[in-house]
Amino acid sequence: AQTVTQSQPEMSVQEAETVTLSCTYDTSESDYYLFWYKQPPSRQMILVIRQEAYKQQNATENRFSVNFQKAAKSFSLKISDSQLGDAAMYFCAYRSGPPANFNKFYFGSGTKLNVKP
Amino acid sequence: DTGVSQNPRHKITKRGQNVTFRCDPISEHNRLYWYRQTLGQGPEFLTYFQNEAQLEKSRLLSDRFSAERPKGSFSTLEIQRTEQGDSAMYLCASRKGGYYGYTFGSGTRLTVV
Repeated sequence: AQTVTQSQPEMSVQEAETVTLSCTYDTSESDYYLFWYKQPPSRQMILVIRQEAYKQQNATENRFSVNFQKAAKSFSLKISDSQLGDAAMYFCAYRSGPPANFNKFYFGSGTKLNVKP
Repeated sequence: DTGVSQNPRHKITKRGQNVTFRCDPISEHNRLYWYRQTLGQGPEFLTYFQNEAQLEKSRLLSDRFSAERPKGSFSTLEIQRTEQGDSAMYLCASRKGGYYGYTFGSGTRLTVV
């Protein structure tokens, strides 16, 4: 089975600074997708960014970017110009197969991000 | 698009009682998932529906758990004879076929006392 590991239970960053959240995963598959989800306190999980394993280029969404190292099975999230609204739990997630499959997500245990004003 | 709706938001029940949660997915999403999230952990897969068919169930879904999705619309998750270990956030998510990511609901937090 696939496993996703987030080794940083909690991190803090100063407002306007940059922070990187780490994620590693274990799989024998070649076709898969990786995601970062954000879960604010008492609110629903929302998708932050997605990376297809077959793409060499790292995904970017505004202030959020990833460093995808396929050989190392590493998928870190960089948040630039951190804002107070970025404070939340961040979950790294893995799913296999193309979009048509029903394959479930495997989530890491999460990293709580604190943003200091 | 009104999002994925889950009810109730919170449920406190006594051990041994039965509880039922409801999930209303986004209307055009034919795939529906239930996950369980315990404190300090990421969500764990419970079960999956494509339309009204339940296509996969996790080993976490003991015989006290049952899920349905009649007519491929809303879904219910029932837990019979609740135990303290069932205390968790129960998340529902849906997606449209051919798309990558889920849309999550806000979850139902169950506390068994």
